Amino acid sequence: GDSVTQMEGPVTLSEEAFLTINCTYTATGYPSLFWYVQYPGEGLQLLLKATKADDKGSNKGFEATYRKETTSFHLEKGSVQVSDSAVYFCALRGNNDMRFGAGTRLTVKP
Amino acid sequence: EPEVTQTPSHQVTQMGQEVILRCVPISNHLYFYWYRQILGQKVEFLVSFYNNEISEKSEIFDDQFSVERPDGSNFTLKIRSTKLEDSAMYFCARDDRNNSPLHFGNGTRLTVT
Repeated sequence: GDSVTQMEGPVTLSEEAFLTINCTYTATGYPSLFWYVQYPGEGLQLLLKATKADDKGSNKGFEATYRKETTSFHLEKGSVQVSDSAVYFCALRGNNDMRFGAGTRLTVKP
Repeated sequence: EPEVTQTPSHQVTQMGQEVILRCVPISNHLYFYWYRQILGQKVEFLVSFYNNEISEKSEIFDDQFSVERPDGSNFTLKIRSTKLEDSAMYFCARDDRNNSPLHFGNGTRLTVT
């Protein structure tokens, strides 16, 4: 069945460092891909999405490109801030429910 | 502001008791979902609900669980005879159509003692 594998954390970075969180997927058909963010004590918020190959999703300085050839959707940000500390989930959606990766905890230190 | 409201935000119950978790959409939607996140672990699909019927459920969603939309507005998840391992965050979500993102509520933290 459809599944998502993402880089396990935790990831600790200094402020203004470059961030990459790897995500790869397995799916039949052509799923849509998403990144969700969960701040401490809160629910899941959609960060960005891409619905077809080569689409780039972007939001709040974060970017991810839907790469069909490598079945990947890596999350990147050029300069992280302390406020970016959260858990990041990669997810895919085909015809049915949404499947999530295990989550990657990011801590950004000043 | 989340597009679905979940109540209560935190529920503590004793093992063996029944709990009902509630989800109220801001606007009228047909598709609803329940997900569970055991502390620090993966977000897991429980069940999807379309047009007042279960459309898909996972292996987690056994006879202990049920969902319904009793008054056409509130969407509830009932857990009969709770177990310690049911302690988790339970998230309600809604969407508009396939391949669209899910919009989650802030979750209900269930603690079974």
